[in-house]
Amino acid sequence: DAGVTQSPTHLIKTRGQQVTLRCSPKSGHDTVSWYQQALGQGPQFIFQYYEEEERQRGNFPDRFSGHQFPNYSSELNVNALLLGDSALYLCASSLRGTGEKLFFGSGTQLSVL
Amino acid sequence: QKEVEQNSGPLSVPEGAIASLNCTYSDRGSQSFFWYRQYSGKSPELIMSIYSNGDKEDGRFTAQLNKASQYVSLLIRDSQPSDSATYLCALRANQAGTALIFGKGTTLSVSS
Repeated sequence: DAGVTQSPTHLIKTRGQQVTLRCSPKSGHDTVSWYQQALGQGPQFIFQYYEEEERQRGNFPDRFSGHQFPNYSSELNVNALLLGDSALYLCASSLRGTGEKLFFGSGTQLSVL
Repeated sequence: QKEVEQNSGPLSVPEGAIASLNCTYSDRGSQSFFWYRQYSGKSPELIMSIYSNGDKEDGRFTAQLNKASQYVSLLIRDSQPSDSATYLCALRANQAGTALIFGKGTTLSVSS
């Protein structure tokens, strides 16, 4: 049973560039959430997708956008990258209606230079 | 005011001792509480969830919830060096839908 998979594992970009991160949820899960974890901090909620729509959003600017596909996989896009966007980006999947037990992927480490 | 507060540590305990990790929160309407373990360079892993006041035990782990005091704790009995990690307290606040709000985490170090 495959867990949550994310790609790429590491990414280096420069300020102003755009980046796309990808996530495949755990088998049987239909909800994908994205979190940003800065060094020494806890994960911070970006947004959640269910039935291909953004259902909930945290306190992040519009530069952060996402998408969910019919197979439940998801993408996180960040435009006009800032140095402060450097962080570990975590995808978490869950099954709607079964509570908030999230299963996290291994994350994508984004460095913005 | 931060919504979930944890002492960042490090908390150092000898092998075999009880490690006590604490978390306070500000939203009285919070419904669900979770403890995640995160090894250095890895992703968070759910180890305990608790929804009602009182204690919940799972193996060497006990979660304690006191909604009146807005306090959640995690006890790790017979601590092992492999328990050395950062422990993240998380909750689903009443107004936050299904998103989880995390604390900054407490780093635990268990010495052999």
